[in-house]
Amino acid sequence: GEDVEQSLFLSVREGDSSVINCTYTDSSSTYLYWYKQEPGAGLQLLTYIFSNMDMKQDQRLTVLLNKKDKHLSLRIADTQTGDSAIYFCAESHTDKLIFGTGTRLQVFP
Amino acid sequence: DVKVTQSSRYLVKRTGEKVFLECVQDMDHENMFWYRQDPGLGLRLIYFSYDVKMKEKGDIPEGYSVSREKKERFSLILESASTNQTSMYLCAILRRGDRLNGYTFGSGTRLTVV
Repeated sequence: GEDVEQSLFLSVREGDSSVINCTYTDSSSTYLYWYKQEPGAGLQLLTYIFSNMDMKQDQRLTVLLNKKDKHLSLRIADTQTGDSAIYFCAESHTDKLIFGTGTRLQVFP
Repeated sequence: DVKVTQSSRYLVKRTGEKVFLECVQDMDHENMFWYRQDPGLGLRLIYFSYDVKMKEKGDIPEGYSVSREKKERFSLILESASTNQTSMYLCAILRRGDRLNGYTFGSGTRLTVV
């Protein structure tokens, strides 16, 4: 079945770049997403990429998609303490999204 | 702004109790979903609904049921709560076919079963 995997933790220094990685198995995925969850809150959509794109940039966020390797990454430039959260990748080819395990990003001064 | 409201932020229930978790949306979206979130396991789909009175099992439906009598409301029911159902429960909605915008989530209900 479909599966989406992420590493569980990432720790970076404030001002550095963060790269959060995700692999998925469903080759028919059409949309891939990155969600952010702050403590005690629901998930908030950060950005998405369509499967025929390689890259998408949105201010400090860069999404890279390697469809051949089924690998998705989220790069956050100039990481701030407010970026500390859990980041989930998700994929879909139907109206049902499949989520990864989430990566907890910790930003230290 | 789309609003997805989950009736309780925190709930504490006793083992064996029947528990109702409510999710209400104000955007007339067809699709509604219930997930549970556990550390290291991510979000796991319990049940979803494509329309009123329609329901589909997700990946972990055992011990749960759902009700969708009105389009705006999707209820998750724990028939007889057990301690392994202690978790964060998240409701999400999606306009049919509008995957471009992804899901909109509620704030979650943290349920503790003692």
